[in-house]
Amino acid sequence: AQKITQTQPGMFVQEKEAVTLDCTYDTSDPSYGLFWYKQPSSGEMIFLIYQGSYDQQNATEGRYSLNFQKARKSANLVISASQLGDSAMYFCAMREGWGQGAQKLVFGQGTRLTINP
Amino acid sequence: KAGVTQTPRYLIKTRGQQVTLSCSPISGHRSVSWYQQTPGQGLQFLFEYFSETQRNKGNFPGRFSGRQFSNSRSEMNVSTLELGDSALYLCASSSTPRGPNEKLFFGSGTQLSVL
Repeated sequence: AQKITQTQPGMFVQEKEAVTLDCTYDTSDPSYGLFWYKQPSSGEMIFLIYQGSYDQQNATEGRYSLNFQKARKSANLVISASQLGDSAMYFCAMREGWGQGAQKLVFGQGTRLTINP
Repeated sequence: KAGVTQTPRYLIKTRGQQVTLSCSPISGHRSVSWYQQTPGQGLQFLFEYFSETQRNKGNFPGRFSGRQFSNSRSEMNVSTLELGDSALYLCASSSTPRGPNEKLFFGSGTQLSVL
């Protein structure tokens, strides 16, 4: 069963606009962590932001914020004031629990974001 | 602080050969995990090492193996290469594999092409 779903294969946004990248997840474990990574054409996976299942507030990291709606099982990434350098693939990922399974990340299929000047 | 270092950056091999990829984690990180990224299958977990012990393995054939050294550096080996092994192999490190809140930091990957 698909555990992480990113429904937007591609998005095109004008520079300086805000953009929301969608992510829904599926888990029965009450302890989990949600991550967003950026992958530019160079291939490196760059950590952007993290949200824990027990966190009371939505995570923020500079221009990145995570709209965490636990009941809906969604963890959307919001990028404010987009820049040309934000053009890249974006992946949502999840880690579950505290046992052996916690050592692996499960990734969505990704969203290719293109920022237009 | 230096990031995760993977070598080589690019590799071209032929079917039937074997290959070894190397990963040096962030200084002080003791957990190293490996992922395979292909256009068709996306990102898939290969295995994870902590303190020289493999703690978890993904759904890959036995041709894929790895090890971790006492300095936390890790190597991944693929024997009897197949065309389908062509992929970007990413290594990630974290301080300890304690639970779901442990952040993983990735390297730039090794792009393997099998001809």
